[in-house]
Amino acid sequence: QQQVKQSPQSLIVQKGGIPIINCAYENTAFDYFPWYQQFPGKGPALLIAIRPDVSEKKEGRFTISFNKSAKQFSLHIMDSQPGDSATYFCAASTPSGNTPLVFGKGTRLSVIA
Amino acid sequence: DAGVIQSPRHEVTEMGQEVTLRCKPISGHDYLFWYRQTMMRGLELLIYFNNNVPIDDSGMPEDRFSAKMPNASFSTLKIQPSEPRDSAVYFCASSFSPEGRQFFGPGTRLTVL
Repeated sequence: QQQVKQSPQSLIVQKGGIPIINCAYENTAFDYFPWYQQFPGKGPALLIAIRPDVSEKKEGRFTISFNKSAKQFSLHIMDSQPGDSATYFCAASTPSGNTPLVFGKGTRLSVIA
Repeated sequence: DAGVIQSPRHEVTEMGQEVTLRCKPISGHDYLFWYRQTMMRGLELLIYFNNNVPIDDSGMPEDRFSAKMPNASFSTLKIQPSEPRDSAVYFCASSFSPEGRQFFGPGTRLTVL
C-alpha cells in the first residue's frame, strides 16, 4: 500500500532527447508527488513537485504529468543535456503528517552527447 | 545555512568493528531521517525522529544498527558489529514535516572489508 513503483531502472538518451521516467502508486491517500535529483557523490535534492489538483506542472525543462485515475505520474525532461545525467527518484506522501515520504527505487539517467 | 552536515564522508573499516556516522540537521527542522542507499535496494528509510524522539525504526535492518538523537542539532547512526553487507552510502535528511520536502546531506560512503 505504501509502495511507489518506478521505471525504468536505467535510461540512456542522446542529447536533445526527451527522457520519460514513470511512477505508479496504490495508496489513493497520497497527495504530494515530488521528484528528487541526485548527482554522483551528492545527496538527493528536490527537483519539482506536484499535487493532484493539477495534471501537469512545468519548471524550466522539467515537466511532471499526473494521471489521478491511473494512479501514475511521470517526469519528462525536454531538450535533455549531459548535465542532466543523474539518478532521479519519484516519491509520494499523504497529508496526515504521520508518515514520511515514500521513495521509488530510482532511475539512473545518462544523457550522451 | 550550511545545510545538512554529515561526517565522515568516507569510512573504511574491517568486519566486526564499530562504526559511528554523524549528522547535524538544518536548524529549525523538527524531523531527521536516516537512509541507506545501495544499487540493489535503492533508497531505504532506516529510522526517523521528531523533536529528537524516534518515531519509526522499522527500517533498521537488525539489532546491530542503532540511532540516537541526543539534541536537536545532532544525531548518530551506529553499526556494531559491522559486516561487509553494510557497505552502502548512508544519508541523513531533515525537514519541517515528515511528508514534506526533505533536505539531504552529502552522505557517508561506508565500506566494510
